[in-house]
Amino acid sequence: DAKTTQPNSMESNEEEPVHLPCNHSTISGTDYIHWYRQLPSQGPEYVIHGLTSNVNNRMASLAIAEDRKSSTLILHRATLRDAAVYYCILRAPSNTGKLIFGQGTTLQVKP
Amino acid sequence: DAGVIQSPRHEVTEMGQEVTLRCKPISGHDYLFWYRQTMMRGLELLIYFNNNVPIDDSGMPEDRFSAKMPNASFSTLKIQPSEPRDSAVYFCASSRLAGGSYEQYFGPGTRLTVT
Repeated sequence: DAKTTQPNSMESNEEEPVHLPCNHSTISGTDYIHWYRQLPSQGPEYVIHGLTSNVNNRMASLAIAEDRKSSTLILHRATLRDAAVYYCILRAPSNTGKLIFGQGTTLQVKP
Repeated sequence: DAGVIQSPRHEVTEMGQEVTLRCKPISGHDYLFWYRQTMMRGLELLIYFNNNVPIDDSGMPEDRFSAKMPNASFSTLKIQPSEPRDSAVYFCASSRLAGGSYEQYFGPGTRLTVT
């Protein structure tokens, strides 16, 4: 699986949008872009994934650059409960299941 | 549906003792994964099963670690004998299918402390 690069930490104010970036310049044409998050003292939680087009679900939006070398996870209105470590992970379609976690981005949300 | 269930949630044991961690995956999921998380190494995959068969155990640190999945609804991770460096949070996860477009669902983890 190709490597991703994320900022170590970010801060946001409550009820403001948050844009979490991820660079993946070595992504292959068939790699999926996955985002997971880990709240304090909990297991990782699936957030969203996409391939080429932007994706939306109840938790977040995923914006994928046209060249697919970067993506952005968007939390439209951050809440204190969104404070977590966010992981950007690439998965090949033939990936047999492994999730390779990097260091992720620690998001702090201030009231 | 109940999520992935792990037990115990916390385990404190003395060096040299046997430790058994348990996991019940989500019903209908054919893949089960065991991960370990430490401050030094982050989250790392230890082993995973497909239809109760171990597929990749390359992440198992050494022979002291063993994992079994006797049926589709139960798996164990055993450490014998345990050592202080095994102290970590152990997560179990399951997914319906493998492949790049499928998500994994994680349990709450077992925090293991070996003294």
